[in-house]
Amino acid sequence: DVKVTQSSRYLVKRTGEKVFLECVQDMDHENMFWYRQDPGLGLRLIYFSYDVKMKEKGDIPEGYSVSREKKERFSLILESASTNQTSMYLCASSLSGLAGGPEETQYFGPGTRLLVL
Amino acid sequence: AQSVTQLGSHVSVSEGALVLLRCNYSSSVPPYLFWYVQYPNQGLQLLLKYTTGATLVKGINGFEAEFKKSETSFHLTKPSAHMSDAAEYFCAVSDRYWGGKLIFGQGTELSVKP
Repeated sequence: DVKVTQSSRYLVKRTGEKVFLECVQDMDHENMFWYRQDPGLGLRLIYFSYDVKMKEKGDIPEGYSVSREKKERFSLILESASTNQTSMYLCASSLSGLAGGPEETQYFGPGTRLLVL
Repeated sequence: AQSVTQLGSHVSVSEGALVLLRCNYSSSVPPYLFWYVQYPNQGLQLLLKYTTGATLVKGINGFEAEFKKSETSFHLTKPSAHMSDAAEYFCAVSDRYWGGKLIFGQGTELSVKP
């Protein structure tokens, strides 16, 4: 069964803290994605990765960075958390590599609800 | 650039009634289209997707959607709503030439009244 896990369901952090959100998939997927979800805005792509040590900016990368040292793990980093980064963060993965496969299903983790005070 | 518009942020139906959630897309290339469902406090789960072939697509839990190119629509329907269908539904289009990035609509919250 497909499995994407996220390290925390709920996090509370202070403004200015460095925050790490971890995502692990056990499906040997090549593609991994980080989204944030806000009411009325749907999901917006922050960063994605097609391979180990490879990353691409999504639509809203400002204030975020990512790391992918191993195929199964994709980390989202908030270098200096701000209150406008309070949101639900969703990780996803899909099978295909850079060559194609946009029809591939993305599998989502349960999400991390982050509150920045 | 691709985009997705979901008409109605909240839809309420009675149990047993028809469910219709509207989605229109904009794409300069033939689209791949998806519907995802999010139950409270959970991640997203794929309901169905259109890639090529038959334009009427059947998904899980009795949902189906029809791709209408002339109307640039991909509306989601279910003949008879069940209480367990209460959730948020997202329509998405795939960025076809860049390895599967998804562009999501704003979401529609479905309420089902007894």
